[in-house]
This record gives sequence, structure tokens and C-alpha cells, in this order.
Amino acid sequence: DAKTTQPPSMDCAEGRAANLPCNHSTISGNEYVYWYRQIHSQGPQYIIHGLKNNETNEMASLIITEDRKSSTLILPHATLRDTAVYYCIVRVVGNAGNMLTFGGGTRLMVKP
Amino acid sequence: DAGVTQSPTHLIKTRGQQVTLRCSPKSGHDTVSWYQQALGQGPQFIFQYYEEEERQRGNFPDRFSGHQFPNYSSELNVNALLLGDSALYLCASSLVISGELFFGEGSRLTVL
Repeated sequence: DAKTTQPPSMDCAEGRAANLPCNHSTISGNEYVYWYRQIHSQGPQYIIHGLKNNETNEMASLIITEDRKSSTLILPHATLRDTAVYYCIVRVVGNAGNMLTFGGGTRLMVKP
Repeated sequence: DAGVTQSPTHLIKTRGQQVTLRCSPKSGHDTVSWYQQALGQGPQFIFQYYEEEERQRGNFPDRFSGHQFPNYSSELNVNALLLGDSALYLCASSLVISGELFFGEGSRLTVL
């Protein structure tokens, strides 16, 4: 799976949008971009994933650049409960398994 | 609908001992994966079980072994414990081998 690069930490004011960037310049054509988050002392939680089109669900939006070399996870109205480590992961989706390769992630701190 | 459940939540062992961790997958899921998360790092893939067989394995020594039972639950065994085995052990389940992963809260192992 391709490697990803994320800033180690970010701050965001409560109620504002949190924009978390991820660089995956070596992504292959059949690799999806996945985002997970891990709140302190809990297991990782799936947020969203996409291939090349922008995606939105009840938790977040995912914006993938046209060349697919980078993406941004957007939490539209961050709350204190969104404080967590956010992991950007790229992986092939298929019958070969669903192993995830986690990097260091971005530690997002939402402040009042 | 119960999610992924793991036991025990915390345990302490001494070097050289053996430990068994248990995982019950989310209802309806048939695939179980195990991850190790050292303090301050992202989770690292240990192995995946599907149809009671190990399907994928990460870069972990043979001291780490597992089993999947006919009811899809799973065990992770670690022999000859080392201090470096101290970590949060996460179990994740999915519907089919390529499906989205749902994580449990983890079992925190401390080796003294």
C-alpha cells in the first residue's frame, strides 16, 4: 500500500470547520483513500473513504484532488468530541484482504 | 447490535509468560483481524483470520499466533512475552475478507 504523509498535529476552534490534509503522491489507480480516527483509549473508528470523487456522509466530507495525489478530510462543524488522532490510509479494495497500514496520523485538538 | 467485544480489557504479565486475548466480532461478521498499538504509535497489523484460517500476516514473529472458531470469534496468543510486547491489542472484524473494518476497544497488555 502507498504511504501517506500527514501533519503531526493541528488545532481547530469549536464550531469551525476542521480541514485535515493528507499527501499520497505515490497512490496507485486501484487504491482507495480511507480515513479513520481514534479517540483516546478507544479503538479506531471508520469515517469515510473514496476513490476519486468527492464523498460526503453524516460525519465528514472527503475531497480528493484530480490527480489523486492528496486529499482533505473536512469536519464541517468541529466539536470537542472530535478531538482525536486522524489517520489517512490508502489501500486496495479486493479479495486480497483488508489490512490497513497506519501511519502516525494527525492529532486534532478542538478548543473551546 | 453488539459491536466488537474484547477481553480482558487490561492485564499484567511478566516476561516469559504466555497470554491469550479474546475477541467476538460484530454480529454477522465473519473475518477477524488483530493489530498491536504501542504507546504513541499507530496500530500495526498482526494477522487476519477468515474461515478459521490465517489469511494474511504482518511482520510479527511466530510467538504471535491465533485461532478462529466456527462461531467466528478469535483468540490471539503471545508466547514468551517480552517487555516490548506491552501494547494495546486491537481486534477488528469485517463482513467478508475485503469489507470495512470495525474495531473493538482493545486489550491493554503490560509486561513487567
